[in-house]
Amino acid sequence: ETGVTQSPTHLIKTRGQQVTLRCSSQSGHNTVSWYQQALGQGPQFIFQYYREEENGRGNFPPRFSGLQFPNYSSELNVNALELDDSALYLCASSGQGSYEQYFGPGTRLTVT
Amino acid sequence: GEDVEQSLFLSVREGDSSVINCTYTDSSSTYLYWYKQEPGAGLQLLTYIFSNMDMKQDQRLTVLLNKKDKHLSLRIADTQTGDSAIYFCAESEGGGSYIPTFGRGTSLIVHP
Repeated sequence: ETGVTQSPTHLIKTRGQQVTLRCSSQSGHNTVSWYQQALGQGPQFIFQYYREEENGRGNFPPRFSGLQFPNYSSELNVNALELDDSALYLCASSGQGSYEQYFGPGTRLTVT
Repeated sequence: GEDVEQSLFLSVREGDSSVINCTYTDSSSTYLYWYKQEPGAGLQLLTYIFSNMDMKQDQRLTVLLNKKDKHLSLRIADTQTGDSAIYFCAESEGGGSYIPTFGRGTSLIVHP
């Protein structure tokens, strides 16, 4: 059974650019959640996708958007990058109706 | 203010017990979790407790919940150097989406 994977591992972007981060769910999981973890902070919920539809959203602006594909993999897109977007972005997958989320190793995004 | 609060650091000697404390504010919290994050890695769900429970024991881990005071603790018996990590307390409501709200994390340092 494959766990949650994320790509890329690290990324450096310039302010104003756009970025796409990718996540593959654990086998059998149809729900994906994305979190932003700034340095020294706990993860902050961005949004959740269930069966390709957004199923909940945290306090993040519309320039944070996402997609979930039929195979339940997911993308997080961030437009017009700001310096404060520098963080570890974590993806977590879970089965339908499950309170247990399984996290990937994260993508470290640095915006300069 | 924060919904989940934890002390930031804890230092213990190898072989001693560690107790990490957490307080939360949401009365409707149904699930309470402890996650572990090692350097450069994602979050690993260590254990969880339902709000109708007072205690849960899982090998070296003991979780105590005082629902009246909204206080959660994690005790690690016989702490080892491999337990050095950041421990996050989190809470979520029920209802299907189970989106956890995380604290800032407690950095546990275990020294020989």
